[in-house]
Amino acid sequence: GEDVEQSLFLSVREGDSSVINCTYTDSSSTYLYWYKQEPGAGLQLLTYIFSNMDMKQDQRLTVLLNKKDKHLSLRIADTQTGDSAIYFCAAGLSGGYQKVTFGIGTKLQVIP
Amino acid sequence: DVKVTQSSRYLVKRTGEKVFLECVQDMDHENMFWYRQDPGLGLRLIYFSYDVKMKEKGDIPEGYSVSREKKERFSLILESASTNQTSMYLCASSLEKENTEAFFGQGTRLTVV
Repeated sequence: GEDVEQSLFLSVREGDSSVINCTYTDSSSTYLYWYKQEPGAGLQLLTYIFSNMDMKQDQRLTVLLNKKDKHLSLRIADTQTGDSAIYFCAAGLSGGYQKVTFGIGTKLQVIP
Repeated sequence: DVKVTQSSRYLVKRTGEKVFLECVQDMDHENMFWYRQDPGLGLRLIYFSYDVKMKEKGDIPEGYSVSREKKERFSLILESASTNQTSMYLCASSLEKENTEAFFGQGTRLTVV
């Protein structure tokens, strides 16, 4: 089955850019997601990208997809202390959330 | 505003107790899901449901059951709680089978002692 891997921890200074990386194994994954989890809260969808896209930009967020290497990244420009959270990468086949595999989550710490 | 509500934020139960975790969504979504979240393991799907009275096993259904008597409510049941079921439980819902977004509740942190 699908396996999604991401690093456990990232620390950046306020104002710098953050880049969170993720790799997945199933080349037939159609949907690639980034979710954010703030302390004590559930997951919130930040953005998603279809596998036929290379890049998606949404305000401070840029998602890059290298389908050949099965590598997904999330770049947060001008990182703020409010961006401190756990970020989950997820990959899924078409056909609903029962086929979505989540990574273990990357904890982003923003240093003032 | 989209809302998925889990009935408890924190629960402490004894080994062997029957435990009910309740989840309600107000978005008229077809699909509902129960995950557990453990450090270093991410989210793992326990059960899901695409319709009322319908349920399907996820990746780790052992020790759990579910009930969906009404469209808006999806309950997770631990028939006989064990310490290895101590975890954060997250409920989610999505509109359609092919939908690109799932909405999550705030989570229930269950401790079994």
